[in-house]
Amino acid sequence: DTGVSQDPRHKITKRGQNVTFRCDPISEHNRLYWYRQTLGQGPEFLTYFQNEAQLEKSRLLSDRFSAERPKGSFSTLEIQRTEQGDSAMYLCASGFENSNQPQHFGDGTRLSIL
Amino acid sequence: AQSVTQPDIHITVSEGASLELRCNYSYGATPYLFWYVQSPGQGLQLLLKYFSGDTLVQGIKGFEAEFKRSQSSFNLRKPSVHWSDAAEYFCAVGSDSNYQLIWGAGTKLIIKP
Repeated sequence: DTGVSQDPRHKITKRGQNVTFRCDPISEHNRLYWYRQTLGQGPEFLTYFQNEAQLEKSRLLSDRFSAERPKGSFSTLEIQRTEQGDSAMYLCASGFENSNQPQHFGDGTRLSIL
Repeated sequence: AQSVTQPDIHITVSEGASLELRCNYSYGATPYLFWYVQSPGQGLQLLLKYFSGDTLVQGIKGFEAEFKRSQSSFNLRKPSVHWSDAAEYFCAVGSDSNYQLIWGAGTKLIIKP
């Protein structure tokens, strides 16, 4: 299967711990996006990369959040000192540079903060 | 401000009945429009997209959508729903000038047997 894959699918952690999620995009895609989704809502944009460059970050992305895409392939999203409000589904999507091309989503990582 | 509105939080339809999910957008540029479907605990799967040309677009799983510029709408339709269509449906809009997609809050589709 050559779709977008995310790891882990679920993460349960205590408040204050650090967590890291990984996303492997479709290999020929040069754009990679991170979204957060809470129950009953659509995805909220967090950040995106074009190749290895992080081109935009939402103001939703506090200083506790950091994302990398070091070689322009897979990406990681780290949350430091997790808080209750970080509980959500974190979705990764990849796509081509043209905005008229759809984004392809992974199955997400569900984060639960105890 | 750019926005996407899905007026119905949830819709209940009998299996075999027709379906229409509404999507209205407010967007300054020429929009690209998408419908995605999400099953519980899963990511989003693209159903169909509109960029230009024919305003009636066909998608996967028997879905279609019609772009109506005068009404700023992009409603999703299916002539006969199946129990497997039960899921949440999201409308999204983008453009050449905006790398981000603007998302609606979703409509949850419930199928009655």
